[in-house]
Amino acid sequence: DVKVTQSSRYLVKRTGEKVFLECVQDMDHENMFWYRQDPGLGLRLIYFSYDVKMKEKGDIPEGYSVSREKKERFSLILESASTNQTSMYLCASSPRHEQFFGPGTRLTVL
Amino acid sequence: LAKTTQPISMDSYEGQEVNITCSHNNIATNDYITWYQQFPSQGPRFIIQGYKTKVTNEVASLFIPADRKSSTLSLPRVSLSDTAVYYCLVGGGEGSQGNLIFGKGTKLSVKP
Repeated sequence: DVKVTQSSRYLVKRTGEKVFLECVQDMDHENMFWYRQDPGLGLRLIYFSYDVKMKEKGDIPEGYSVSREKKERFSLILESASTNQTSMYLCASSPRHEQFFGPGTRLTVL
Repeated sequence: LAKTTQPISMDSYEGQEVNITCSHNNIATNDYITWYQQFPSQGPRFIIQGYKTKVTNEVASLFIPADRKSSTLSLPRVSLSDTAVYYCLVGGGEGSQGNLIFGKGTKLSVKP
């Protein structure tokens, strides 16, 4: 079975803090994705990566950056967390079309 | 980019067939249509994917008309454990892996 793990299930941070969300996949997938999920808005793509050191902006990249130094790891960075970034963050990996999701990190910014 | 529209919620009873339709009027030529299931406190889980016509697997069928502007997920004989949110996703074709548009989800409630 494909396994996508995220570093934390729950995280509480303060406004202005730098936040790192880590995602690791064990299936040698080329593509990795970061989404945020909010009630009534569904899943929205923040960034994706199709190879090591390669990244592309999704629909809502503002306030976020990403890093992919190794194929199995894709990190989402909030340079200066704000309260409107309180959300559920989901990571996914994909060999081609089907995406495999991690369990999500519920981030609260106070 | 394709925009997807699906019903917010649906109710059903155990043993019934459930059909959830997603509209995606601006679907691109190389876009795929994928459906996911999500339970509370979990990430979405792949159900089925198609490009055109009909696709069937062990849990669902996916019907896509010739113009591909909509798709219908069909769940045969639902059970209580099928209560979940169902998302359609359009995009992800060759050269457009980042063009991924999720619908806002359909909350399916299955009653005994």
